[in-house]
Amino acid sequence: NAGVTQTPKFQVLKTGQSMTLQCAQDMNHNSMYWYRQDPGMGLRLIYYSASEGTTDKGEVPNGYNVSRLNKREFSLRLESAAPSQTSVYFCASTPLQSNYGYTFGSGTRLTVV
Amino acid sequence: GQQLNQSPQSMFIQEGEDVSMNCTSSSIFNTWLWYKQDPGEGPVLLIALYKAGELTSNGRLTAQFGITRKDSFLNISASIPSDVGIYFCAGISGNTGKLIFGQGTTLQVKP
Repeated sequence: NAGVTQTPKFQVLKTGQSMTLQCAQDMNHNSMYWYRQDPGMGLRLIYYSASEGTTDKGEVPNGYNVSRLNKREFSLRLESAAPSQTSVYFCASTPLQSNYGYTFGSGTRLTVV
Repeated sequence: GQQLNQSPQSMFIQEGEDVSMNCTSSSIFNTWLWYKQDPGEGPVLLIALYKAGELTSNGRLTAQFGITRKDSFLNISASIPSDVGIYFCAGISGNTGKLIFGQGTTLQVKP
């Protein structure tokens, strides 16, 4: 049982390059989330998908886009990477957008130079 | 936006000591969660609290949901080296239903 799988684990981009972070969960969860983690700031919500076919902005959505490809997969795209997007990105899922604890992936460490 | 203020920011303690950390907010939360993050990994859920006043234990960990629904604390008793990591409080907002994280408490344990 893999839980939440994120790829890649590490990535270095040049300013202006684009890339997509992949996330997949095998727990049949309805809701999926993308967070970024920066030192001293905890985790901040970028985008979320309450259910298949829906996506909504979180606290820090600027510079990102998302796609809920199917129930299992939720991708995060950086169209034109900036140094301010250097961060660790976490994907998470829950059975419903509810009070259940979120299950997190192991993260993608992104550096934009 | 809504914020959780977590303290202390970091702790360096001796093995065997008890540890206490807390989170406060100006907003009401329906659920409080405590997570631990090991280096290079995502946060892992330790304890979930669903009712005001609720006190819940998980081994050496004890957490409480504040009676005002605006705060929570986590205690770790008799710390051991593997307790090292970053501990996050998180709350599910009564207004938005979103999970909001505190800034984290970095715990270091000296053997």
